[in-house]
Amino acid sequence: AQSVTQLGSHVSVSEGALVLLRCNYSSSVPPYLFWYVQYPNQGLQLLLKYTTGATLVKGINGFEAEFKKSETSFHLTKPSAHMSDAAEYFCAVRDMYSGGGADGLTFGKGTHLIIQP
Amino acid sequence: NAGVMQNPRHLVRRRGQEARLRCSPMKGHSHVYWYRQLPEEGLKFMVYLQKENIIDESGMPKERFSAEFPKEGPSILRIQQVVRGDSAAYFCASSGNGVQPQHFGDGTRLSIL
Repeated sequence: AQSVTQLGSHVSVSEGALVLLRCNYSSSVPPYLFWYVQYPNQGLQLLLKYTTGATLVKGINGFEAEFKKSETSFHLTKPSAHMSDAAEYFCAVRDMYSGGGADGLTFGKGTHLIIQP
Repeated sequence: NAGVMQNPRHLVRRRGQEARLRCSPMKGHSHVYWYRQLPEEGLKFMVYLQKENIIDESGMPKERFSAEFPKEGPSILRIQQVVRGDSAAYFCASSGNGVQPQHFGDGTRLSIL
């Protein structure tokens, strides 16, 4: 069974500082990995995804993430935080092969990003 | 938000009533997924449907919950005889196929009195 662990339910950084949101996963088969952002009372918006190929993935709004197979990690970073980045961030995984209960995404519990002025 | 339309945005029901949540996928998408989000929790997968077929319902509670995606019209998540524990945000997502990223709607917030 898959699982996703997001370290830190709340992360606070100063405006302009580096953002680092951690995500570790467990999967018995090669995974697809995703980061989503959720603003209050809205749905989830895809930030970036890793499927195959280059392990450093660039997404929207200046975010990027690196797939490290040896560490089973997919941490999300942004060099300089902006006030508008304050939101809930979810890491998700699904098996590369669909079927057999592997079709839905497995989400972490989320990290609430707080930006200090 | 990504073109997936969910309605209603907010739904209030009394215990024992039925709740019907609707989801229209993005144009061109034929794969629909339903998720439930409890407070302070991530989303939990419930069911995956294609037109007229349930592909994976491994996350659906065994009783009172059902889902459909008819040939015409939106996908429907139906909860019969609702209880307080059903209070949550229910999100629908769609994709063009089983591999493409899922795009989410804004959710339906269900409150049970």
